[in-house]
Amino acid sequence: AQSVAQPEDQVNVAEGNPLTVKCTYSVSGNPYLFWYVQYPNRGLQFLLKYITGDNLVKGSYGFEAEFNKSQTSFHLKKPSALVSDSALYFCAVRDEAGANNLFFGTGTRLTVIP
Amino acid sequence: DVKVTQSSRYLVKRTGEKVFLECVQDMDHENMFWYRQDPGLGLRLIYFSYDVKMKEKGDIPEGYSVSREKKERFSLILESASTNQTSMYLCASSLAIFYNEQFFGPGTRLTVL
Repeated sequence: AQSVAQPEDQVNVAEGNPLTVKCTYSVSGNPYLFWYVQYPNRGLQFLLKYITGDNLVKGSYGFEAEFNKSQTSFHLKKPSALVSDSALYFCAVRDEAGANNLFFGTGTRLTVIP
Repeated sequence: DVKVTQSSRYLVKRTGEKVFLECVQDMDHENMFWYRQDPGLGLRLIYFSYDVKMKEKGDIPEGYSVSREKKERFSLILESASTNQTSMYLCASSLAIFYNEQFFGPGTRLTVL
């Protein structure tokens, strides 16, 4: 069975500081990992994904994520946070043998403090 | 750009009413999905469809049904709305390639009184 854990409901970071939003996963085969962002009263927007290859994946708005197979993690990072990054972030996973749907984490609310 | 639209942003219905939520995508995607989003629970899959007239139950299908008569349109139906179906409903679509990302609509916030 697939599962995703986002251990922090809330992350606060000062503007200009690096940010990390954590995600760990469990799948039976090779994982396909995704990050989405949700701004207030909006749908989810795709940020980046890991399929195969380089463990460091770069995505939209300066975000990147590092795939770590031994730790079964896929943490989202950004070197310098902006106030406009404040939003709800979701990690999602499916495995190569799974169905077409993704399994989502419960979300982490990021607040960037000016 | 992929566009996924949902028929209503906000909807208020009464207990027992039949409710239709409509979703349309314009990118010829094979797969379409309905999720509900609740605080602390993330997104939970209700139903998905991988082709016209085809559907599969997700994690929480009870109390819901779906219809996909045309490739671009996927409808979620609440046969008899109940207060515990008050939620944000999100529609998504994707190509039928297993590593492809899903594209989401803006969501419908449904309140059942």
